[in-house]
Amino acid sequence: KNQVEQSPQSLIILEGKNCTLQCNYTVSPFSNLRWYKQDTGRGPVSLTIMTFSENTKSNGRYTATLDADTKQSSLHITASQLSDSASYICVVSAGGDMRFGAGTRLTVKP
Amino acid sequence: DSGVTQTPKHLITATGQRVTLRCSPRSGDLSVYWYQQSLDQGLQFLIQYYNGEERAKGNILERFSAQQFPDLHSELNLSSLELGDSALYFCASSPRAGRVETQYFGPGTRLLVL
Repeated sequence: KNQVEQSPQSLIILEGKNCTLQCNYTVSPFSNLRWYKQDTGRGPVSLTIMTFSENTKSNGRYTATLDADTKQSSLHITASQLSDSASYICVVSAGGDMRFGAGTRLTVKP
Repeated sequence: DSGVTQTPKHLITATGQRVTLRCSPRSGDLSVYWYQQSLDQGLQFLIQYYNGEERAKGNILERFSAQQFPDLHSELNLSSLELGDSALYFCASSPRAGRVETQYFGPGTRLLVL
């Protein structure tokens, strides 16, 4: 079983709508949690990085939350745009290692 | 453009062969990371170097090795290649080796093993 589980696997929304992506993890000991956006065939781009003591972090229309007690994180996208269509990947670091979720494939339609 | 460059962009080779992938980090970045992304296993962290020294190791196979040179560029060597090694290989860099450093990814090298 993967130590980082993301849901949903895929999501289709209309332009302008909001959405929330989920990441649950069992990785221990927790160091930090990152959200990346990855366009098909391109390198991931960092959206947010959160440590144990942070429970929310924003980057423009992207807001990540972290509940270290329940080991859950979410990425909320506000007022979606067509350019938000991509895979969103949750990464949890434990010590020097990094564990990746399988990603959520988001499609924004006009 | 992240400022991280990787060469070659594409590589096609045969099973049993050896290849070298090259990465140049962003100007001033001392830390380099290597990742593998395949369809069945997703993204996996392979190894990290900081200022020429190995810093952290992930799921890197014994057939794979890496190094970071004094000019800070890095190379990932893949030997005795198998069909399952076909994947996108990404390099990323960050200014230092801190655990909350933002990593900047390169465009990747697509490796196809036939």
